[in-house]
Amino acid sequence: DIVMTQSPLSLAVTPGEPASISCRSSQSLLHSNGHVYFDWYVQKPGQSPQLLIYLVSNRASGVPDRFSGSGSGTDFTLKINRVEAEDVGVYYCMQARQTPFTFGQGTKLEIK
Amino acid sequence: EVQLVESGGGLEQPGRSLRLSCAGSGFPFGEYVMNWFRQAPGKGLEWVGYIRTKAYGGTAEYAASVKDRFTISRDDSKSIAYLQMNRLKSEDTAVYYCSREVPYSSEFDPWGQGTLVTVSS
Repeated sequence: DIVMTQSPLSLAVTPGEPASISCRSSQSLLHSNGHVYFDWYVQKPGQSPQLLIYLVSNRASGVPDRFSGSGSGTDFTLKINRVEAEDVGVYYCMQARQTPFTFGQGTKLEIK
Repeated sequence: EVQLVESGGGLEQPGRSLRLSCAGSGFPFGEYVMNWFRQAPGKGLEWVGYIRTKAYGGTAEYAASVKDRFTISRDDSKSIAYLQMNRLKSEDTAVYYCSREVPYSSEFDPWGQGTLVTVSS
């Protein structure tokens, strides 16, 4: 199975300041079709998970442009330019390169 | 509006069975791979399995933790995916979510609101 390792597991950010979360996969997520099957999801308090970023760097519909994703075959980063109060929640990375699809442990973002 | 609604959760005893449903609306259900995920209380997300479209055989894949106990099926005429859970264990206690998988992409969007399954005697 592909192991996804996130860091940090928690962070507290002052509104308006940037935030960054890293995720590393134990194997390359590059498919022979050229796509890298890697996503970011956020689970806000009391809600279902929702898609933030897909295929490494594509923002899902409705996601503010202060969120950005980057990375290559095994190392990925989610950046929030200016954190807002509504961004609190747990952020998960996920690989869909091969089954079983696997998630990182989650990073809990809190507001200072 | 694209929507997924899970139902069928509840309290069940170890060893018994339960069937969850995932009703889709607002999109051509039969053209999408449907996935099931779960989240144990206070824990992270776990993929349970998926079912391919009929065009690709309608076959399913499962996580090792549920293989041979859980079965995913679909009724495209009703826009519903099912998760049949047999020989339930206490460790199956979780909120179960369904999500559609966008073709040729890694997008799992949207997710339903989830349904809670509690396995306890």
